[in-house]
Amino acid sequence: GDSVTQMEGPVTLSEEAFLTINCTYTATGYPSLFWYVQYPGEGLQLLLKATKADDKGSNKGFEATYRKETTSFHLEKGSVQVSDSAVYFCALLKAAGNKLTFGGGTRVLVKP
Amino acid sequence: EAGVAQSPRYKIIEKRQSVAFWCNPISGHATLYWYQQILGQGPKLLIQFQNNGVVDDSQLPKDRFSAERLKGVDSTLKIQPAKLEDSAVYLCASSHGQGGSPNTFGSGTRLTVV
Repeated sequence: GDSVTQMEGPVTLSEEAFLTINCTYTATGYPSLFWYVQYPGEGLQLLLKATKADDKGSNKGFEATYRKETTSFHLEKGSVQVSDSAVYFCALLKAAGNKLTFGGGTRVLVKP
Repeated sequence: EAGVAQSPRYKIIEKRQSVAFWCNPISGHATLYWYQQILGQGPKLLIQFQNNGVVDDSQLPKDRFSAERLKGVDSTLKIQPAKLEDSAVYLCASSHGQGGSPNTFGSGTRLTVV
């Protein structure tokens, strides 16, 4: 079946550091890929998405590129802020059935 | 546009008691999902509705969990009787239901079973 694997956290960074969170997936067909962010005590918010190979999703300084050849969708941000402290989830969605499959999440802690 | 509304935000019950959660999706969203998120894990889909019909409930523990969406809008998820391992955040989400449309999530209900 479909699956998403993320690097385990927590990831602890200093403010203005570079952030990378690795995400790889296993799926048949051509899924859409997403990054969701969950701030403490809140639900999941869509951060960015990509719907086909080589698409780059971006939002709030975060970027991720859909790499079909490596089945990856790594999240990057060039300069993190304390407010970026959250749990980040990589997910895939198959158009048939419209169901999301999530990775386990990566907790990011940014220290001032 | 109003978001996905869920209530209550928090609930503490004893094991073997029953509990119900409510969800109101975004207006016009045909598809509604209930997810279970255990601490430290990603959300797991419990049940998916398309309008008032069930599309997928393969991961729903049907001996104790039930869900309904009678008029194709609001939905309730019930657990009876609850077990300690049901402690989790229960997230409701909705989408247009067209191929590739992302889920929009509510804030969730945090359930603690003691």
